[in-house]
Amino acid sequence: DIQMTQSPSTLSASVGDRVTITCRASQSISSRLAWHQQKPGKAPKLLIYKASSLESGVPSRFSGSGSGTEFTLTISSLQPDDFATYYCQQYNSYPWTFGQGTKVEIK
Amino acid sequence: EVQLVESGGGLVQPGRSLRLSCAASGFTFDDYAMHWVRQAPGKGLEWISGITWDSGSIDYADSVKGRFTISRDNAENSLYLQMNSLRVEDTALYYCVKGFGEDWGQGTLVTVSS
Repeated sequence: DIQMTQSPSTLSASVGDRVTITCRASQSISSRLAWHQQKPGKAPKLLIYKASSLESGVPSRFSGSGSGTEFTLTISSLQPDDFATYYCQQYNSYPWTFGQGTKVEIK
Repeated sequence: EVQLVESGGGLVQPGRSLRLSCAASGFTFDDYAMHWVRQAPGKGLEWISGITWDSGSIDYADSVKGRFTISRDNAENSLYLQMNSLRVEDTALYYCVKGFGEDWGQGTLVTVSS
């Protein structure tokens, strides 16, 4: 199975901060990586797919980059609505695997 | 608008069975692979099964292989998960997921407890 390692596990930041979350795959997954945002009591919501493609309707302050085994999610200017948990997910091969999540908290 | 509505969850004793359903609308159901992903209380996301558009290819996580069966009915725009021999560790919110993860249902809660 492909292991997805996300860092950090928790991130404390202020509104307006630039935030970067990293996801590392245990083997190459090409660009078959998605980023999801999850708020308490809600289903995950797709933000980024194919490593760097922005899902329709997602604010442009979200961006993704990387390929192979190293990926990043960047929020250029953190907004109040962005405090949530973020998961990376590889869909290159079964079983799909997810990172353990990064909780973005208010500093 | 894509809608995925799960149902069938509930409280069940260990060793018993449960069948989850997912009613899909707002897209051409038989154009997409579908999946089940679960989330134990306070924990992360775990993919458990996927099925191609034509049911020609099916996969399971090792944690559920031999106990769970995924199926779909394209005429009814529905996805199913038959869960047998349930264990306490199967307690989770079960999500129906479209494609590679572009849309998720709101989930149905399965609690396995004596």
